[in-house]
Amino acid sequence: GAGVSQSPSNKVTEKGKDVELRCDPISGHTALYWYRQSLGQGLEFLIYFQGNSAPDKSGLPSDRFSAERTGGSVSTLTIQRTQQEDSAVYLCASSLVERSYNEQFFGPGTRLTVL
Amino acid sequence: DQQVKQNSPSLSVQEGRISILNCDYTNSMFDYFLWYKKYPAEGPTFLISISSIKDKNEDGRFTVFLNKSAKHLSLHIVPSQPGDSAVYFCAARPLRWTSGSRLTFGEGTQLTVNP
Repeated sequence: GAGVSQSPSNKVTEKGKDVELRCDPISGHTALYWYRQSLGQGLEFLIYFQGNSAPDKSGLPSDRFSAERTGGSVSTLTIQRTQQEDSAVYLCASSLVERSYNEQFFGPGTRLTVL
Repeated sequence: DQQVKQNSPSLSVQEGRISILNCDYTNSMFDYFLWYKKYPAEGPTFLISISSIKDKNEDGRFTVFLNKSAKHLSLHIVPSQPGDSAVYFCAARPLRWTSGSRLTFGEGTQLTVNP
C-alpha cells in the first residue's frame, strides 16, 4: 500500500526566499507530524495535527514557520524568508490514531538546502 | 537540553556478533520508548517498542531492555547482519495524553555490520 509521500525530495533555495514542503499521509491516518533533522542532530519535533483539533505548534522554531493541513489529509509546511540554519531534512509522519500506541510512519523526507 | 541521548554516534560489529545500542533519557514523564531504523534517503521505520511496565521486549533478532531506575534502554541485535547497517534512533514519549504523542528522538547511532 502507499506510504507517506513527501515532495519535493530535494529543495535548494536562496536565503530570504519562501519554500513550501508537502506531505501526503497514509490514507485514513488522522494524526500528522512534522519533524526536522539537522546535520548531526536527532529528529526535532515541529508540529502535529490531529483531526479537526487545533494543531500543536509548540515545536516551531520561529514565526517564519507555519503549517496547514487541508481536509484532514495533505499538509504543507511553509518557511518564509529562509535562513541558512533552516537547512535540514524535513520529515513528515502519520499515525492511525494520535492517542494510541500506534507507531508513526515516516515519509522519505525533503532535504532543504538554503544557500 | 537533550532529553534523549545516544552517546555513541557510531558502532561497528562483525556479522554474526551482537550489536548493542544504548540510549539514556532524562525526562521522568517518558513512559513509552521506541527504536527506529533509518537507511540513507529514506524515512525512519519503526523497529520495536517497550512501555515502562516492562523491562524487556523481544521480536526476532531484536530485543529492547529498559532500566527505569537508571533511565536507560538498550537495543540488542543478535545475530547482526550486514543488512542491519543503518542509523538507529531511540525515541520516547509520555503516555499522558495531555502531553501529546509527539516523539522526542536521540541523535542516532550509525551501526555498521561488517561481513
